[in-house]
Amino acid sequence: NAGVMQNPRHLVRRRGQEARLRCSPMKGHSHVYWYRQLPEEGLKFMVYLQKENIIDESGMPKERFSAEFPKEGPSILRIQQVVRGDSAAYFCASSPGFVTTTYNEQFFGPGTRLTVL
Amino acid sequence: GQNIDQPTEMTATEGAIVQINCTYQTSGFNGLFWYQQHAGEAPTFLSYNVLDGLEEKGRFSSFLSRSKGYSYLLLKELQMKDSASYLCAVRDKAAGNKLTFGGGTRVLVKP
Repeated sequence: NAGVMQNPRHLVRRRGQEARLRCSPMKGHSHVYWYRQLPEEGLKFMVYLQKENIIDESGMPKERFSAEFPKEGPSILRIQQVVRGDSAAYFCASSPGFVTTTYNEQFFGPGTRLTVL
Repeated sequence: GQNIDQPTEMTATEGAIVQINCTYQTSGFNGLFWYQQHAGEAPTFLSYNVLDGLEEKGRFSSFLSRSKGYSYLLLKELQMKDSASYLCAVRDKAAGNKLTFGGGTRVLVKP
């Protein structure tokens, strides 16, 4: 049973380019979360998605950032016209989405480390 | 919104005990999680508390007091491999059940 998969693990972009980060949740999980982590800091929530729906995007910058979780395929976090301040580790997590009988804890992927030159 | 505080760093000796405190403010508390994160790796789930009291899991225990907005993670018989960051996270019904993380506590275990 594979865990949460993210790719690429490392991504280097020049200022102004686009970055696409992919996340495949654990099998059977329908909820996906994206977090950003700056060096020496905690995880900051960005967006919460279920299949084909954005549930909460309150942590995502209004401009240049977008996320989707299509019916088929991985969830994508897209950053347009990247700037140096976007350099960070981006973690995806998934959960089964039912709270009543389990912890509904989130399982994290290995992260994508984005470096903007 | 939520405010979650935990110490930035702690140092302890191999074999000792360390207690990491976490205080939080939230309007719709729906559970508190502790995660362990080694440098450059993904966070891994350690424990979950939703009712007051102590949850024990081997060398790790977690305590919750909802009335005080307080939790701690207790690490016993410390091993070198326990050197990591420990993240406290609160789930809030009023915030769509998403997790809000504290800044993490970096624990350094010395021989």
